[in-house]
Amino acid sequence: GQQLNQSPQSMFIQEGEDVSMNCTSSSIFNTWLWYKQDPGEGPVLLIALYKAGELTSNGRLTAQFGITRKDSFLNISASIPSDVGIYFCAGQSYSGSRLTFGEGTQLTVNP
Amino acid sequence: ETGVTQTPRHLVMGMTNKKSLKCEQHLGHNAMYWYKQSAKKPLELMFVYSLEERVENNSVPSRFSPECPNSSHLFLHLHTLQPEDSALYLCASSQAEGPPLHFGNGTRLTVT
Repeated sequence: GQQLNQSPQSMFIQEGEDVSMNCTSSSIFNTWLWYKQDPGEGPVLLIALYKAGELTSNGRLTAQFGITRKDSFLNISASIPSDVGIYFCAGQSYSGSRLTFGEGTQLTVNP
Repeated sequence: ETGVTQTPRHLVMGMTNKKSLKCEQHLGHNAMYWYKQSAKKPLELMFVYSLEERVENNSVPSRFSPECPNSSHLFLHLHTLQPEDSALYLCASSQAEGPPLHFGNGTRLTVT
């Protein structure tokens, strides 16, 4: 089946630093999604990308849909303690197909 | 309030018990999903219901039995589970044509 390689697996940063994480695939995806999961809760959608090359922001978060359609990245600027959590990428290869999820990036922000 | 509500939040059950997980969505979606989340593994899709019909069953053991009585409610009936079934079980909903998915907060299941 399809796989998404998400990196890094974990990050330990200081408050105020910028963060970057990415997902890559050997297959083409037509939709990329980024989710955040807080401890004890379900994943919450952060950003959805529907077009190759698209760059979308949501507050301090920016995500891009790679031009090859095989990758996506998420940047967080000026991190704060509440950014702690697990960030997941997910891709959909064609309309109606099921999402493929990455393994997640565990982010720790030290005050 | 996520729009997708799961109960119970925590469940401990023995291997011979029968229990059910419940999910309710208030978003007007017509597709509902069960996912299993284990530590350090990607989310595993278990079942998909679209317009109240089961459209996907990803080789899930028969000790897990889903039920979707209407587009707003989804159940996962559990019986004779194994300790390796301990995980976070997430319900999600969407429009039938696809993402984004909206998740509930999950049921943390422990099988003893």
